[in-house]
Amino acid sequence: AQSVTQLGSHVSVSEGALVLLRCNYSSSVPPYLFWYVQYPNQGLQLLLKYTSAATLVKGINGFEAEFKKSETSFHLTKPSAHMSDAAEYFCAVSFPSGNTPLVFGKGTRLSVIA
Amino acid sequence: KAGVTQTPRYLIKTRGQQVTLSCSPISGHRSVSWYQQTPGQGLQFLFEYFSETQRNKGNFPGRFSGRQFSNSRSEMNVSTLELGDSALYLCASSWVVTSTDTQYFGPGTRLTVL
Repeated sequence: AQSVTQLGSHVSVSEGALVLLRCNYSSSVPPYLFWYVQYPNQGLQLLLKYTSAATLVKGINGFEAEFKKSETSFHLTKPSAHMSDAAEYFCAVSFPSGNTPLVFGKGTRLSVIA
Repeated sequence: KAGVTQTPRYLIKTRGQQVTLSCSPISGHRSVSWYQQTPGQGLQFLFEYFSETQRNKGNFPGRFSGRQFSNSRSEMNVSTLELGDSALYLCASSWVVTSTDTQYFGPGTRLTVL
């Protein structure tokens, strides 16, 4: 069965430092991959998605992620953290064939220290 | 363009009661999905509706049910509430197939069961 693992339930970075949030997936078929962000008391907002086109995907707010099939990873990065990036981030997987819903990881809470 | 709206935003119920949550998708979207978010279990898929038909259902007891109307608005119902049903319930809409299409999330309904 497909699954998503996010390494680290909480990541803390200094303002201006690199943000790296890790996501690994388990799947027997090529997946579609998503990163969502959730701010307090809000729903989820799509940051970016990979749907089998370019492996390096650029999203909103300066985030990007690279699909690495050999490592079954889809890590989210941002070169320079901003205080407004503090939120919870979710990696999710789905599949183009069949009727499958999104499967989410447990989430990673990002804290940004001034 | 208005986003996904969910009503009510907050709800307090007691054990044994039933509750109905409402979701209005983005105009033109025909697919609506529901998720339960809790600190312990994370985001879990409840069900998905497309053109008034349930296309997919997650692993939840029969106390959880839903429906979709001809205008794509959706409701979910939880009967005989239990303390463990306390959660943030998120609704998401998309144009068609949720496995490949971007899902847009509402702000959620926070249900507290006492």
